[in-house]
Amino acid sequence: NAGVTQTPKFQVLKTGQSMTLQCAQDMNHNSMYWYRQDPGMGLRLIYYSASEGTTDKGEVPNGYNVSRLNKREFSLRLESAAPSQTSVYFCASIWQGNTDTQYFGPGTRLTVL
Amino acid sequence: AQSVTQLGSHVSVSEGALVLLRCNYSSSVPPYLFWYVQYPNQGLQLLLKYTSAATLVKGINGFEAEFKKSETSFHLTKPSAHMSDAAEYFCAVGRGGNNRKLIWGLGTSLAVNP
Repeated sequence: NAGVTQTPKFQVLKTGQSMTLQCAQDMNHNSMYWYRQDPGMGLRLIYYSASEGTTDKGEVPNGYNVSRLNKREFSLRLESAAPSQTSVYFCASIWQGNTDTQYFGPGTRLTVL
Repeated sequence: AQSVTQLGSHVSVSEGALVLLRCNYSSSVPPYLFWYVQYPNQGLQLLLKYTSAATLVKGINGFEAEFKKSETSFHLTKPSAHMSDAAEYFCAVGRGGNNRKLIWGLGTSLAVNP
């Protein structure tokens, strides 16, 4: 069981470039999340997918798009990267219930120059 | 609406001393409460959670937390700090019902001094 995996681990982009962050889980979880973590700001939810085929905006969705490709995979796309999107991005998943533990990936460190 | 406040963004203790990390919440529904830990350059992992069963919850690595409804608190404690406890700690509250999103505190960075 790999749990939640994320690729890439590190990325440097120039302003205006696009990229997709990949996330996959092998725990048969139904719900998946994308967060960003910035110093002093804790975790902020970007997008959320309650189940395959559904996505919902979180607190900070502007500048991002997501795709729930199947039950295992949930990708985050930056169409035109901006320096304000420099952050550490975490993917997480839960099985189903609202008291379930969120399992986190190791994170992607993104720098936008 | 729910919210979470972690008092103290940085806490420093000596090895062997008591660890106390504070979390207060507000919730209009019975809350589900979580503590997560993040070691340097890693993702978050669950320490413990309160889901309306016992008010004193025991977690991994010797941590525990007590749910106090009257004080709207869920403080995290450990009797004796170890160097390996140095990490970032996050308190979170569940929104209740079918909403599976969490509201996160800003985190408390714990330093353990030899």
